Amino acid sequence: EDQVTQSPEALRLQEGESSSLNCSYTVSGLRGLFWYRQDPGKGPEFLFTLYSAGEEKEKERLKATLTKKESFLHITAPKPEDSATYLCAVYYTDKLIFGTGTRLQVFP
Amino acid sequence: DGGITQSPKYLFRKEGQNVTLSCEQNLNHDAMYWYRQDPGQGLRLIYYSQIVNDFQKGDIAEGYSVSREKKESFPLTVTSAQKNPTAFYLCASSIGADGNSIYFGEGSWLTVV
Repeated sequence: EDQVTQSPEALRLQEGESSSLNCSYTVSGLRGLFWYRQDPGKGPEFLFTLYSAGEEKEKERLKATLTKKESFLHITAPKPEDSATYLCAVYYTDKLIFGTGTRLQVFP
Repeated sequence: DGGITQSPKYLFRKEGQNVTLSCEQNLNHDAMYWYRQDPGQGLRLIYYSQIVNDFQKGDIAEGYSVSREKKESFPLTVTSAQKNPTAFYLCASSIGADGNSIYFGEGSWLTVV
């Protein structure tokens, strides 16, 4: 079954404590993997698009990487304002599937 | 500013009533989408439209209807046939229909009372 799984479901970090979020997928014919940030009660905000294994994208404290089976969102020295739910989505054969997200909380 | 505007932000519906959620975009995007988000579940696609006067059902279209009479507008009607309509509804748009760079509105909360 085609699916996208994100882990962990929730993550609590101390400010400055770097970590990684995982998005694994079991689809064939991947055409793109996307990362979004979603604040409570708001719509998701687009962060990155990755197309092929080995590709990396960076934005401030965030770096997204892609392999043939998973993607990681690395957060370096996070700040409390990085607290949000991070969603990944996979596009393949004209379908887009979203994961259930990782809820990140960063404490000062 | 360019973006996607959804209204209303909060809506209460009595059982048996139809309600319409508005979605307007000024990004000049061809493709528009409606998603539903429930706690603990990923976003699920209700309907999408790649061009004016054309739209396709998504994974959970039953109980919903849409129209695309203008490029900028993609309203969603939640009908009384939708058995569990209480949810957070998200409208989105993109330049093409390849899943890339989908931009979302701020969402609409629908509660059935």
